[in-house]
Amino acid sequence: EAGVAQSPRYKIIEKRQSVAFWCNPISGHATLYWYQQILGQGPKLLIQFQNNGVVDDSQLPKDRFSAERLKGVDSTLKIQPAKLEDSAVYLCASSQFTNEQYFGPGTRLTVT
Amino acid sequence: RKEVEQDPGPFNVPEGATVAFNCTYSNSASQSFFWYRQDCRKEPKLLMSVYSSGNEDGRFTAQLNRASQYISLLIRDSKLSDSATYLCVVRGSNYKLTFGKGTLLTVNP
Repeated sequence: EAGVAQSPRYKIIEKRQSVAFWCNPISGHATLYWYQQILGQGPKLLIQFQNNGVVDDSQLPKDRFSAERLKGVDSTLKIQPAKLEDSAVYLCASSQFTNEQYFGPGTRLTVT
Repeated sequence: RKEVEQDPGPFNVPEGATVAFNCTYSNSASQSFFWYRQDCRKEPKLLMSVYSSGNEDGRFTAQLNRASQYISLLIRDSKLSDSATYLCVVRGSNYKLTFGKGTLLTVNP
């Protein structure tokens, strides 16, 4: 079974630029999550989708971050404009209902 | 108070040692509890769920004390391959996972 796919794996941008990350969950998983993991910290949930509806986006900085999951499968997370403190690994995870969450390899973002 | 707090670490132990990780959580309404493992520059992976009755998986034993809001993980006879960051994770409403900062374990030959 294919795992959660993410791209790109690495991205370096300058502050105030924009960036987008893509995630393809495990086939059949209705729930999709985006996490931000800053170096030395545990992952922090940014947004949770159930199919293409948002369940929780309470920790998403909505002035600069946006996410969508239009057809209930793939998802994109965008940052515009980026700040230095956005440097982190962005992890996508998916699960089938309330079962175990499976994480993708992440996108390592460096903002200079 | 942080939602999930773990021993700051890092822990450095010799092969064969027993090592214990501790974790506390602040929300008494939390529903489920887990330990995840994260290797360097890799994604987190579920190690084991934690139940009030305590549960064991080979060399790993997890305990939950709901009254004290305390979770523990014990690793016996540690191996070099156990070197990783161990993340304490709590699940609340909407099945949202809240992660601790993690504790880095290095097992030395």
